[in-house]
Amino acid sequence: GESVGLHLPTLSVQEGDNSIINCAYSNSASDYFIWYKQESGKGPQFIIDIRSNMDKRQGQRVTVLLNKTVKHLSLQIAATQPGDSAVYFCAEPMDTGRRALTFGSGTRLQVQP
Amino acid sequence: DARVTQTPRHKVTEMGQEVTMRCQPILGHNTVFWYRQTMMQGLELLAYFRNRAPLDDSGMPKDRFSAEMPDATLATLKIQPSEPRDSAVYFCASGLVLTGTGVSAGELFFGEGSRLTVL
Repeated sequence: GESVGLHLPTLSVQEGDNSIINCAYSNSASDYFIWYKQESGKGPQFIIDIRSNMDKRQGQRVTVLLNKTVKHLSLQIAATQPGDSAVYFCAEPMDTGRRALTFGSGTRLQVQP
Repeated sequence: DARVTQTPRHKVTEMGQEVTMRCQPILGHNTVFWYRQTMMQGLELLAYFRNRAPLDDSGMPKDRFSAEMPDATLATLKIQPSEPRDSAVYFCASGLVLTGTGVSAGELFFGEGSRLTVL
């Protein structure tokens, strides 16, 4: 797939465990943040987003935490499943004037059955 | 099932040849993006359009790359002449930006990508 071969940090977890993927962002003025999942051979897929006026948002089995003080974002996946194996990217707007996204370098999640 | 469609999925060509990649954004989306993904650089923005007008193409090598939206259902990315360093996966994404506010509706929808190999 497209992301195979990237020298990415890898998180390996057992099926059923919780996973936490971290991201440091650069722009303190960013007004929202998004997590994307990219499976091998596919394009990035939206998981969840969070506005900068929030510090936590929950979805189905996923929770995103935002710590603006240290410019840190995390994605928590509950009861990780083999289908969660992918590369995960955090993204933020390039700047307040443009709505294109800039992506982090990604973290590879490997779920062991 | 609305989705972004990209063609070709795979392209192998020789250095110096022209390459054209096509994208059909999701109907109703007013913003289209071209990204390139490589092992070394990750996901990089090449260009984007709003309501078919180019807003930013600063990420593209101008001498060989060009991006256009001939109509609302088609975006193209052309490389002429292609070089081995252009080998990458090229993604098109579309989204909806609320006009007047400049606020994104949040999500970008990506296509499956066009894997380009230039020999």
